[in-house]
Amino acid sequence: IAGITQAPTSQILAAGRRMTLRCTQDMRHNAMYWYRQDLGLGLRLIHYSNTAGTTGKGEVPDGYSVSRANTDDFPLTLASAVPSQTSVYFCASSVTGETTEAFFGQGTRLTVV
Amino acid sequence: GQNIDQPTEMTATEGAIVQINCTYQTSGFNGLFWYQQHAGEAPTFLSYNVLDGLEEKGRFSSFLSRSKGYSYLLLKELQMKDSASYLCAGLDSNYQLIWGAGTKLIIKP
Repeated sequence: IAGITQAPTSQILAAGRRMTLRCTQDMRHNAMYWYRQDLGLGLRLIHYSNTAGTTGKGEVPDGYSVSRANTDDFPLTLASAVPSQTSVYFCASSVTGETTEAFFGQGTRLTVV
Repeated sequence: GQNIDQPTEMTATEGAIVQINCTYQTSGFNGLFWYQQHAGEAPTFLSYNVLDGLEEKGRFSSFLSRSKGYSYLLLKELQMKDSASYLCAGLDSNYQLIWGAGTKLIIKP
């Protein structure tokens, strides 16, 4: 089934630990995004990639890094987790960019303790 | 600054019509999106408006007025499965999406 898959679906992480959230899509979309969603706030863009080999910073990039080695994969790494990074993280992809419909993964619920 | 405003919560009755409003202030404008998000699930695309006017898709319609910085999502013949959050997002001049916090719609029988 075509779509976008995130792993893990949930995780409890000790503060200071390193964590990589995985995101894979099989729709051959050029653009991919990482968002965090917190109660009472809109989705906030962390990092994005318009095409394989390129990445850019979003609204809240500090403490996070990404890579885009190929079209399908867009992992998000927390180098040293802090409690304020407790959130639901969504990966999304779109065909060519922001004016097209974005498809979202099912989300990763991360708790940093 | 950039901002998207939409009501936090609305309640409506099954079979009725509800209008969810969204006002936006963005640096430049390249369109407005509506997404639906059921609790614990991912957002799914509903509509994209870039020109003024009403676009209809079955029971859902979306309206845009660029001069007023205003959009609404109209849901007709409400069904229980329409209980969800509805997210409004504006696309600014840098093609960055600015998201509202979402409107939680509660449908009562």
